[in-house]
Amino acid sequence: DQQVKQNSPSLSVQEGRISILNCDYTNSMFDYFLWYKKYPAEGPTFLISISSIKDKNEDGRFTVFLNKSAKHLSLHIVPSQPGDSAVYFCAASAIQGAQKLVFGQGTRLTINP
Amino acid sequence: EAGVAQSPRYKIIEKRQSVAFWCNPISGHATLYWYQQILGQGPKLLIQFQNNGVVDDSQLPKDRFSAERLKGVDSTLKIQPAKLEDSAVYLCACRLAGTVQYFGPGTRLTVT
Repeated sequence: DQQVKQNSPSLSVQEGRISILNCDYTNSMFDYFLWYKKYPAEGPTFLISISSIKDKNEDGRFTVFLNKSAKHLSLHIVPSQPGDSAVYFCAASAIQGAQKLVFGQGTRLTINP
Repeated sequence: EAGVAQSPRYKIIEKRQSVAFWCNPISGHATLYWYQQILGQGPKLLIQFQNNGVVDDSQLPKDRFSAERLKGVDSTLKIQPAKLEDSAVYLCACRLAGTVQYFGPGTRLTVT
């Protein structure tokens, strides 16, 4: 049972434009959400997170939006740069659940020059 | 600050053989995780340690997988005997506080 879903396996965006990656979850106990970025042959690296008490968190070019009623979050990258080409994973955690992370399947983002 | 170290980076074995992976987490990070990432999927938690005690191993196939974290620092994950479906990247992660986990580069296992 896939509790965290990223329905787009891949996304291609022109350099300088906005990239929007989406993530849906089913478990209402999740109260903390993270985005990780993964380059080939490397481990995932933490990018940005959001608590369920917020609906937006911004860090430079990266903004995460959370819609709790829809159980949906999205990552916006503006402007997109070639170095942003990677696989992005959405992950969710229940603070009271021993800090376990449940990951989505990932979205491969390609930024075209 | 040094990151999470894992070795080996790549391993090819035949089915029914055994294999072991090693992880050295970031100094002071008490919580350690092992994940399995099959191609095209997200990482899936296998086992979580707090210091040298197991917190959660509900997803660990205990008939063939084992893990230990002696002295609450380094950890090893073993598979014996390996099956074809064990082909995956095995990721080690650690956490100091909060929710963010820090990952190592992983070990890519190919079982033939």
